[in-house]
Amino acid sequence: QVTLKESGPVLVKPTETLTLTCTVSGFSLSNARMGVSWIRQPPGKALEWLAHIFSNDEKSYSTSLKSRLTISKDTSKSQVVLTMTNMDPVDTATYYCARMRVVPAAMDYWGQGTLVTVSS
Amino acid sequence: EIVLTQSPGTLSLSPGERATLSCRASQSVSSSYLAWYQQKPGQAPRLLIYGASSRATGIPDRFSGSGSGTDFTLTISRLEPEDFAVYYCQQYGSSLMYTFGQGTKLEIK
Repeated sequence: QVTLKESGPVLVKPTETLTLTCTVSGFSLSNARMGVSWIRQPPGKALEWLAHIFSNDEKSYSTSLKSRLTISKDTSKSQVVLTMTNMDPVDTATYYCARMRVVPAAMDYWGQGTLVTVSS
Repeated sequence: EIVLTQSPGTLSLSPGERATLSCRASQSVSSSYLAWYQQKPGQAPRLLIYGASSRATGIPDRFSGSGSGTDFTLTISRLEPEDFAVYYCQQYGSSLMYTFGQGTKLEIK
């Protein structure tokens, strides 16, 4: 059974750095056919892809947020970590992690999401 | 960066009717890399269609996907009450980047 679960702070202050962890089970982060993405969704708005990490540790980032994002993984712990620097109230959103099948590309399993509010 | 534009923004239909949702890409997208998701309020998105036309596990056959190049379509043949939700298309590009469309809200008329 494949599951993903996001964890991290529910409230961060402006200018702080957000660190989110995605703990996966039911598959290995070393599986060449799989990767993990982070996606966010501001309240009432559309999904926005943030970052992705492949089994070989190759990474890709949203062009608009690349300077603020870092994605990494610890295969032994089955965890994928996303950090986002210089948080702003506009970054308030539900943050999801999702498993991405490489070919054909699709996010076939999603975590439940975690709401992060940015406020002083 | 490829931009996906979904239309219409909102679609008002009745149960039993046919729904046709459009996703247009700013550049050609490989069919292998086009997917559709359904999202209901308070829930994570659910994969419906991958590879432009293949249904994900457990998805009813009233859902179908088609298209190629820059124009893709999600069709729901006969709407059930549980189909009213927001639908997103998503692509994976050669630059290892993923993008979502802005979504189509399917609401009960």
